[in-house]
Amino acid sequence: DQQVKQNSPSLSVQEGRISILNCDYTNSMFDYFLWYKKYPAEGPTFLISISSIKDKNEDGRFTVFLNKSAKHLSLHIVPSQPGDSAVYFCAAHANDYKLSFGAGTTVTVRA
Amino acid sequence: DADVTQTPRNRITKTGKRIMLECSQTKGHDRMYWYRQDPGLGLRLIYYSFDVKDINKGEISDGYSVSRQAQAKFSLSLESAIPNQTALYFCATSPTGGNYGYTFGSGTRLTVV
Repeated sequence: DQQVKQNSPSLSVQEGRISILNCDYTNSMFDYFLWYKKYPAEGPTFLISISSIKDKNEDGRFTVFLNKSAKHLSLHIVPSQPGDSAVYFCAAHANDYKLSFGAGTTVTVRA
Repeated sequence: DADVTQTPRNRITKTGKRIMLECSQTKGHDRMYWYRQDPGLGLRLIYYSFDVKDINKGEISDGYSVSRQAQAKFSLSLESAIPNQTALYFCATSPTGGNYGYTFGSGTRLTVV
């Protein structure tokens, strides 16, 4: 049973607008959360992360929000750019540092 | 050279054949992992190793085995390949402790016919 869930398989957004990607988790032992970005024919690359002691982390155009009580996190990309078109994976680990991944959300940024 | 190198990049093999996927890294990380990616399922952990003498099963280890030949090398074997092992396989590394995330290889696309 997947412990990290991304219920939206795809998202289409116009260039310059906001992209919001959602992720839910079931394991209350998770204490660190990450987002990875994947282009075709490449491995996933680290994008941004957040510790469970925070509720927001920002890095340039990317912001991750964590709602522990709801076991929910989201990734905001503002403004969206064509180069952001990729598959985004939500991931989480407990103190064993083994990452559990969601199924991914394919983002398409339209010109 | 890439930090994490996987060979081969693509492979087609027949049902019942033994196949080995190889991974080498130059990151100097102690921890190495093998994941497989399937559409709609994301990445699932097959095996992981926290150092050369440590091997652990992940959530989907049946039908697979691994060997940690050195700190820098971690290979995945399919002893008798079957069609539902057709997938994209990723090797990853991470440093010991801390929240540094993983560094992934570019993947091996395996097709079992």
